[in-house]
Amino acid sequence: KAGVTQTPRYLIKTRGQQVTLSCSPISGHRSVSWYQQTPGQGLQFLFEYFSETQRNKGNFPGRFSGRQFSNSRSEMNVSTLELGDSALYLCASSSGGSNYEQYFGPGTRLTVT
Amino acid sequence: AQSVTQLGSHVSVSEGALVLLRCNYSSSVPPYLFWYVQYPNQGLQLLLKYTSAATLVKGINGFEAEFKKSETSFHLTKPSAHMSDAAEYFCAVTFMDTGRRALTFGSGTRLQVQP
Repeated sequence: KAGVTQTPRYLIKTRGQQVTLSCSPISGHRSVSWYQQTPGQGLQFLFEYFSETQRNKGNFPGRFSGRQFSNSRSEMNVSTLELGDSALYLCASSSGGSNYEQYFGPGTRLTVT
Repeated sequence: AQSVTQLGSHVSVSEGALVLLRCNYSSSVPPYLFWYVQYPNQGLQLLLKYTSAATLVKGINGFEAEFKKSETSFHLTKPSAHMSDAAEYFCAVTFMDTGRRALTFGSGTRLQVQP
């Protein structure tokens, strides 16, 4: 099975712009979660989608949003970018059943200048 | 609220020596616990998991961890370190509840392996 894929791998944006990141989960997985990784705050949970519905949300401002499509692919959007949004954004997929294992993609490195 | 504490942000061992990375958790309900490894410029790779079955869990690359409820610990060990083990290791916890997958991570331990 192919693993979790994320596009793009690297992105440079300017303050005030918006950005959309994409994640394709492992085939058959219905749950997609997003995490932000920064040197200062570490790994923090953003949100989880399951069957096109947001099931869980972390403590991030409303500028961070996401969605999931019927094929389980997910996108996250960050509007009005700030310098502090520079981070590695990781997507993780899970089957969504009783198996709690999450499998991570390689991440998207976002740099905000 | 759940939390994870990893003792030691940096650990250095000699090649062939025992690897011990410490993780303590706090959870008001039975936890699921995980260890992940991250190599530079890569995502996280699942090493092993505890999901209420056997307390001694074996993972990939020769790693294992033991769940000790009385000590609220889930330390990661490997009998003999290899140069390729140099990476950052994260302990994570989630709840056995309604199926939500949010992981709470520790701050990570960077393992250095000396030749």
